[in-house]
Amino acid sequence: QVTLKESGPVLVKPTETLTLTCTVSGFSLSKPRMGVSWIRQSPGKALEWLAHIFSNDEKSYSTSLKRRLTISKDTSKSQVVLIMTNLDPVDTATYYCARIVDAYYYFMDVWGKGTTVTVCS
Amino acid sequence: SSELTQDPAVSVALGQTVRITCQGDSLRSYYASWYQQKPGQAPILVIYGENNRPSGIPDRFSGSSPGNTASLTITGAQAEDEADYYCNSRDSSGNHLIFGGGTKLTVL
Repeated sequence: QVTLKESGPVLVKPTETLTLTCTVSGFSLSKPRMGVSWIRQSPGKALEWLAHIFSNDEKSYSTSLKRRLTISKDTSKSQVVLIMTNLDPVDTATYYCARIVDAYYYFMDVWGKGTTVTVCS
Repeated sequence: SSELTQDPAVSVALGQTVRITCQGDSLRSYYASWYQQKPGQAPILVIYGENNRPSGIPDRFSGSSPGNTASLTITGAQAEDEADYYCNSRDSSGNHLIFGGGTKLTVL
């Protein structure tokens, strides 16, 4: 059974750096044409894709957030880490990680339950 | 264009058929995937590719994608289908993913 679980701080202060970890099980981060995406959802708003990383270490970032994001993976630990710098209250959201499959078109077939992050001084 | 456009809200009578659409230039090159999200829950994948359903998704859900419009059709909508639905695809550059703004489906 494939599962993903997000972890990270619940509360972050403005200007601080957020580090989120996605721990996966049931599949390997080295499996070809698979990877992990990060998506967030601000309260009452739509889903927003942030970044993804594939097994071959190919990475992609949201154009609007690229300067603030870094994604990496540790295959031996089955973890994908997303770092977001210079947090602002507008970054308050539920952050999800999901397994992404590359079939030329992409789709995210298994999602974690999400972790809620509040940015507040 | 780097946008996917969805109608904000759609309603359907119980047992009837409803189509939820998603428009964007990138859909001429890439298939959309569709996600269902109920309040307080994570999204789940309901349709991907040309018209593929993950295991466990009822066959009343189907997809199509002519031209620049992708559609999610629910044939015989049930009360449990009431949810927000999001389309997602690669953008025109092929390098990034984008989500539509979501459609809130109400089953009357």
